[in-house]
Amino acid sequence: QVKLVESGGGVVQSGKSLRLSCEGSGFDFYSFAFHWARQAPGGGLEWVAQIRDDGSDMDYSDAVKGRFTISRDNTKNTLFLDMDSLRPEDTAVYFCVKDSSNTWSYFDYWGQGTLVIVSS
Amino acid sequence: QSVLTQPPSVSGAPGQRVTISCTGTSSNLGAGYDVHWFQQIPGTAPRLLIVSNSRRPSGVPDRFSGFKSGTSAALVITGLQAEDEADYYCQSFDTFRGSMSVFGGGTKLTVL
Repeated sequence: QVKLVESGGGVVQSGKSLRLSCEGSGFDFYSFAFHWARQAPGGGLEWVAQIRDDGSDMDYSDAVKGRFTISRDNTKNTLFLDMDSLRPEDTAVYFCVKDSSNTWSYFDYWGQGTLVIVSS
Repeated sequence: QSVLTQPPSVSGAPGQRVTISCTGTSSNLGAGYDVHWFQQIPGTAPRLLIVSNSRRPSGVPDRFSGFKSGTSAALVITGLQAEDEADYYCQSFDTFRGSMSVFGGGTKLTVL
């Protein structure tokens, strides 16, 4: 079955960097687009970034554009999110989300999330 | 402020019907983009509930249904059960500032 496992979360100081990873299994990783979404404590869901199946196209929310970079390694079935210049408002659970297609369609599977806490 | 607008909370007694609305604009729902719905039990990952306005993925009970018209969409839950108590989010695509996915602010469903 489809499994998405995030890692890399933790406590980091404001202004520092962090890299999140998401390993997928149970499906052809290279055939699907992926997203990162986040949820601040007690808050709603917020889309962060997306990357298509071959890594040729990426988009970002205004809140993270210029600071976060989404990438993938299809040889290792792994999705990444490099987060630079972190701010306290980036504190959230970060979810790895599989798209149903090779580009932007709908989110069909979510990982359990990894918590990032940015201290001021 | 979320791009898609949902009521913060709704409630209903077991067996009743509840409706959760999702209102967008001309750059998302009004542009013809589909709406999808997710259920999230606190402390867990969201679960896909309704795809492309009205389709239920395998395993989702037929008590859940959805529809979309113009800039509005709705999730309808009939025969409410205690296990339906959760947060519900609508999601779509928006092209106002590039190509991006957008969520509603979420609706907390309380089963009385």
